[in-house]
Amino acid sequence: NAGVTQTPKFQVLKTGQSMTLQCAQDMNHEYMSWYRQDPGMGLRLIHYSVGAGITDQGEVPNGYNVSRSTTEDFPLRLLSAAPSQTSVYFCASSGALVRNTGELFFGEGSRLTVL
Amino acid sequence: EDKVVQSPLSLVVHEGDTVTLNCSYEVTNFRSLLWYKQEKKAPTFLFMLTSSGIEKKSGRLSSILDKKELFSILNITATQTGDSAVYLCAVPYPGGSQGNLIFGKGTKLSVKP
Repeated sequence: NAGVTQTPKFQVLKTGQSMTLQCAQDMNHEYMSWYRQDPGMGLRLIHYSVGAGITDQGEVPNGYNVSRSTTEDFPLRLLSAAPSQTSVYFCASSGALVRNTGELFFGEGSRLTVL
Repeated sequence: EDKVVQSPLSLVVHEGDTVTLNCSYEVTNFRSLLWYKQEKKAPTFLFMLTSSGIEKKSGRLSSILDKKELFSILNITATQTGDSAVYLCAVPYPGGSQGNLIFGKGTKLSVKP
């Protein structure tokens, strides 16, 4: 069972560079989201999607773009990386059961460092 | 402001001890409260609570919600070194998908042999 797969696991960028964090899930989940986790801050919602073609902003969307062209994939794009975007990024997904169990399935995270 | 506050932020116990982790929340239109366990990488789901006073149990872990006082506790009995992790509490943002969660900062539990 692959579940939620994130790539890359580690990335170092220079300020101003752009990159895409990939997220794919094989559970046919309609809901997908991106969180960032910083020391002392907990997990914070960046963007989310409730289905293909539908995306919306979370708590901390500035500097990030997303798209959802398929049910499986939800990439997160950093347009011009800044040191403040140094963080661990988690992708999560959930199917219809989220309305009953609240269960999000998380990927293993992508650690990004911006120099 | 909607928020989730967990306490303590860290805790060190010995194997066999019982621990209680706390989570208080302030959110409009409360729907549910969730607990996750995060070891080295991805958070994994433990419980969802929606009703006051009804305990959820899974093995040595149990949790209960008090909607009047706006808090929840997570109990772990007979702790083992494998319980060492960060325990996260979360509530859904008001409105929108239940997948959009406000997380607390977590409680880091260390269980020593």
